Amino acid sequence: KAGVTQTPRYLIKTRGQQVTLSCSPISGHRSVSWYQQTPGQGLQFLFEYFSETQRNKGNFPGRFSGRQFSNSRSEMNVSTLELGDSALYLCASSLAGSYVPLWEQYFGPGTRLTVT
Amino acid sequence: AQSVAQPEDQVNVAEGNPLTVKCTYSVSGNPYLFWYVQYPNRGLQFLLKYITGDNLVKGSYGFEAEFNKSQTSFHLKKPSALVSDSALYFCAVRSGRDSNYQLIWGAGTKLIIKP
Repeated sequence: KAGVTQTPRYLIKTRGQQVTLSCSPISGHRSVSWYQQTPGQGLQFLFEYFSETQRNKGNFPGRFSGRQFSNSRSEMNVSTLELGDSALYLCASSLAGSYVPLWEQYFGPGTRLTVT
Repeated sequence: AQSVAQPEDQVNVAEGNPLTVKCTYSVSGNPYLFWYVQYPNRGLQFLLKYITGDNLVKGSYGFEAEFNKSQTSFHLKKPSALVSDSALYFCAVRSGRDSNYQLIWGAGTKLIIKP
């Protein structure tokens, strides 16, 4: 079974631009979560989508948004990029369930975003 | 507030020796606890979880973790370390109620196994 894939793997953008990251979950997984990983803040939860609906949201500004398609693929968008948005963005998928964190999450390799 | 602490930034262990990576948590209600491992240039991999039941949880790659409610700890252990165990280890706890939840992550502990 193919793992979680994320594209692109690396991205360089300038301040003020916007960016879209893509995540394809493991086949059969309906939940997709996004995380931001930085050396200073560690791993922080962005949001989780389940059946095309945002089910949970972390404490990030509205510049960060996402969506999920009917095939469970998910995209994350960051508008008006800031230098502090430079990070590794991780996507994780898991089996459907009422309480997703009870199920292990399968992570993709991440997208390394650098904002200059 | 819900939180997870990994008090050691780095743990050094000789190959063949037992290893322990520490994690303490603060959460209201029943704790749901997880350990993940991150190898260089790769995503996180699930190791094990504690939901309920036996305080000793066995996971992947020979790892196990001991849940201690009185000490609010969930330390990761392995009886005999391998050089290939060198990686970044994260402890996480579920936060929130009902359908409004998220995982709160520790800062991570770098485990270095020396030959």
